[in-house]
Amino acid sequence: DVQMTQSPSSLSASVGDRVTITCRASQGIVSSLAWYQQKPGKAPELLVYAASRLESGVPSRFSGSGSGTDHTLTISSLQPEDFGIYYCQQYYTIPRTFGQGTKVEIK
Amino acid sequence: QVQLEQSGSELKKPGASVKISCKTSGYTFTTYAMNWVRQAPGQGPEWMGWINTNTGNPTYAQGFKGRFVFSLDTSVSTAFLQISSLKAEDTAVYYCARDRPYYSGSFGFWGQGTLVNVSS
Repeated sequence: DVQMTQSPSSLSASVGDRVTITCRASQGIVSSLAWYQQKPGKAPELLVYAASRLESGVPSRFSGSGSGTDHTLTISSLQPEDFGIYYCQQYYTIPRTFGQGTKVEIK
Repeated sequence: QVQLEQSGSELKKPGASVKISCKTSGYTFTTYAMNWVRQAPGQGPEWMGWINTNTGNPTYAQGFKGRFVFSLDTSVSTAFLQISSLKAEDTAVYYCARDRPYYSGSFGFWGQGTLVNVSS
């Protein structure tokens, strides 16, 4: 199975800050990577697919980059509504696997 | 618009069975695979497997073979997850999740989740 390792596991940042979350796969996954945001009591929501393609309706302050084993989700200017847990997920191979999550808190 | 509506929360005793439904609307049911995802309390999501909505052929992740069964009723555009011989460690929220168009394996649409609580 492809193991997905996210860092950091949690962060606290101020409104307007630039936030970066990284995700490393245990083997190359080309661009078969998605990012999700999950808020308490809700299902995850797709933010980015194919490593860098923004899902429809997702604010442009979110962006994804990377290929192969190393991937990044960036929030260019953190907003109050961006709190939650962010997960990466690879879909290059079966089984689909998720990272352990990065909890984002607003200072 | 695409919607996935799951059945309500369940409280079950160890050894019992549960069947969760995921009723879809807003698209042709047999066009996209349906995935099932488990999220234990305080944990990240875990992919359980998927079912081909054309053929009904299921694929189970390791760890979900044996007590877990995916099924369909295409006449009502609904997918089902049945879990038998429930254990306390099956306590979790279970989600159905549909592939995003053209990017199979990324989950663009999710049900709201069904909490299964296994307790004596």
